[in-house]
Amino acid sequence: KAGVTQTPRYLIKTRGQQVTLSCSPISGHRSVSWYQQTPGQGLQFLFEYFSETQRNKGNFPGRFSGRQFSNSRSEMNVSTLELGDSALYLCASSQGQSSYEQYFGPGTRLTVT
Amino acid sequence: AQTVTQSQPEMSVQEAETVTLSCTYDTSESDYYLFWYKQPPSRQMILVIRQEAYKQQNATENRFSVNFQKAAKSFSLKISDSQLGDAAMYFCAYRREDSGYALNFGKGTSLLVTP
Repeated sequence: KAGVTQTPRYLIKTRGQQVTLSCSPISGHRSVSWYQQTPGQGLQFLFEYFSETQRNKGNFPGRFSGRQFSNSRSEMNVSTLELGDSALYLCASSQGQSSYEQYFGPGTRLTVT
Repeated sequence: AQTVTQSQPEMSVQEAETVTLSCTYDTSESDYYLFWYKQPPSRQMILVIRQEAYKQQNATENRFSVNFQKAAKSFSLKISDSQLGDAAMYFCAYRREDSGYALNFGKGTSLLVTP
């Protein structure tokens, strides 16, 4: 089975722009979660989607949003980028029931200048 | 809110030796999951081991084992017979049983393995 894939792997944006990151989960997985990883704050949970519905949301401003499509692929969007949004964004997928594991993708490295 | 604390920012171990990474957490829940994840320099996060809170028996996966002390809210990871490939950032994580997949991570411990 192919693992979790994330595109693009690297991205450079300018402050004030918006960005869309994509995540394709492992085939058959219905849950997709997003995390932000920075040196200062560490790993922080952004949100989780399950069967196209947001099931959980972390403590991030409304500039951060996401969605999930019927094929379980997910996108996250960050509007009005700030310098502090520079981070590694990780996506993780799972089959959906709490007893199952999460599998992480390689991440998208976003740099905001 | 649940918090996860890893008090050792860096640890070092010699090849073939044993090392223990510490993790404590704070929660009022009785049902939850605990995890150790490994993030090598390539950045792909890999699950090392997990523990269900309702299980008293400590989880073991080959050279990796945990010491789960529920009353003390402690969850340490022991790596036996350390190998060069074990060098990585190790993250302890907590997840409530009923919260889907919202993981709370600790700040991580950087493990260096010396020949």
